[in-house]
Amino acid sequence: GESVGLHLPTLSVQEGDNSIINCAYSNSASDYFIWYKQESGKGPQFIIDIRSNMDKRQGQRVTVLLNKTVKHLSLQIAATQPGDSAVYFCAENNRNTPLVFGKGTRLSVIA
Amino acid sequence: NAGVMQNPRHLVRRRGQEARLRCSPMKGHSHVYWYRQLPEEGLKFMVYLQKENIIDESGMPKERFSAEFPKEGPSILRIQQVVRGDSAAYFCASSPPGRVGGEQYFGPGTRLTVT
Repeated sequence: GESVGLHLPTLSVQEGDNSIINCAYSNSASDYFIWYKQESGKGPQFIIDIRSNMDKRQGQRVTVLLNKTVKHLSLQIAATQPGDSAVYFCAENNRNTPLVFGKGTRLSVIA
Repeated sequence: NAGVMQNPRHLVRRRGQEARLRCSPMKGHSHVYWYRQLPEEGLKFMVYLQKENIIDESGMPKERFSAEFPKEGPSILRIQQVVRGDSAAYFCASSPPGRVGGEQYFGPGTRLTVT
């Protein structure tokens, strides 16, 4: 089965609100985690990554939090915009394995 | 700097025909990965290649599917005697030399439809 999964398959948020997308992983050996955004008909687009020696990393309007104790990863999007509507995937791996993707969460932004 | 390129973007094949999907990695990238995605699902790893070598094909079906990444030219994913269940989006990703996996850059995908 999948080693990475998501708590919420769909998420609807009001424009301007903050979004939080969650992800659980089961492989304690994973040391690298990525969030990808996939718009309809396109390939996954890199958003932000984090290594296991960190618990938080910030980008432009996005923050990734890693809780290794409970094997949980989250993506926070500040001031969500209509252009953020997409499917978001978390993925993980360790030094010797390809990426393993979760099933994805569809984010729908309500204007 | 061109990103990962895939062609064709859309491919229609009848059952029993062969499908050939091409992927040109980003300049300077020597690692290529192929993934398959069914509608409303995540990406499933198929195969990882470096130039002239298959490194990990644990996600590749044992029959009808093959992949190569020759010294010159694009990586090719080949599906022989396609069946309706092969209909999916196939994505290629590339990464620079160094650790396996890590940040991967994806192409736009090839959407295969088997009729």
